[in-house]
Amino acid sequence: AQSVTQLGSHVSVSEGALVLLRCNYSSSVPPYLFWYVQYPNQGLQLLLKYTTGATLVKGINGFEAEFKKSETSFHLTKPSAHMSDAAEYFCAVSGDFFSSGSARQLTFGSGTQLTVLP
Amino acid sequence: KAGVTQTPRYLIKTRGQQVTLSCSPISGHRSVSWYQQTPGQGLQFLFEYFSETQRNKGNFPGRFSGRQFSNSRSEMNVSTLELGDSALYLCASSGGAIGGELFFGEGSRLTVL
Repeated sequence: AQSVTQLGSHVSVSEGALVLLRCNYSSSVPPYLFWYVQYPNQGLQLLLKYTTGATLVKGINGFEAEFKKSETSFHLTKPSAHMSDAAEYFCAVSGDFFSSGSARQLTFGSGTQLTVLP
Repeated sequence: KAGVTQTPRYLIKTRGQQVTLSCSPISGHRSVSWYQQTPGQGLQFLFEYFSETQRNKGNFPGRFSGRQFSNSRSEMNVSTLELGDSALYLCASSGGAIGGELFFGEGSRLTVL
């Protein structure tokens, strides 16, 4: 079974500062990992995903994440925060086909609300 | 390319009633998943349909059901509504590849009074 832990339900940064949102996962099989963003009253939008290959993944809007197997982490970063980055961010791991019957099922973390201060 | 469309966007029901939510996936996508989002429980998987067959079901009571039609459109139904069913219900479609991206709709916000 998979699980995802997001450290910090609320993170505040100043505009122009580094954004770091933490995600640790637990998986019995090599994971597929995702970061999604949700703006108020909207659905989820994919920022980036890790499947195989390069461990540093670049996504949209200047975000990137690094898969570290030894630390079971997939932290999300952005060098310089913008006011438009204020939203809720979710880390997710894909399902283990053999235990859940579907490799497309996502297990989400509890989310991190990012506030960007002017 | 049109995105995932969910209807209705907002609805209000009373306890004991039932509700049907609809989801039209991206053209060509055969997999449709449903998730419930609440402030207390976060995002929880309800079920997934692929080519009209339920492939997986989350830990929800039997009052929650779904189906998928031959055109990949999906509906979910909740019977005998309870206050705790108030939530944002999100539909997601994908092409079906393992590790593939899920594309989410904007959700249907259900309020149970």
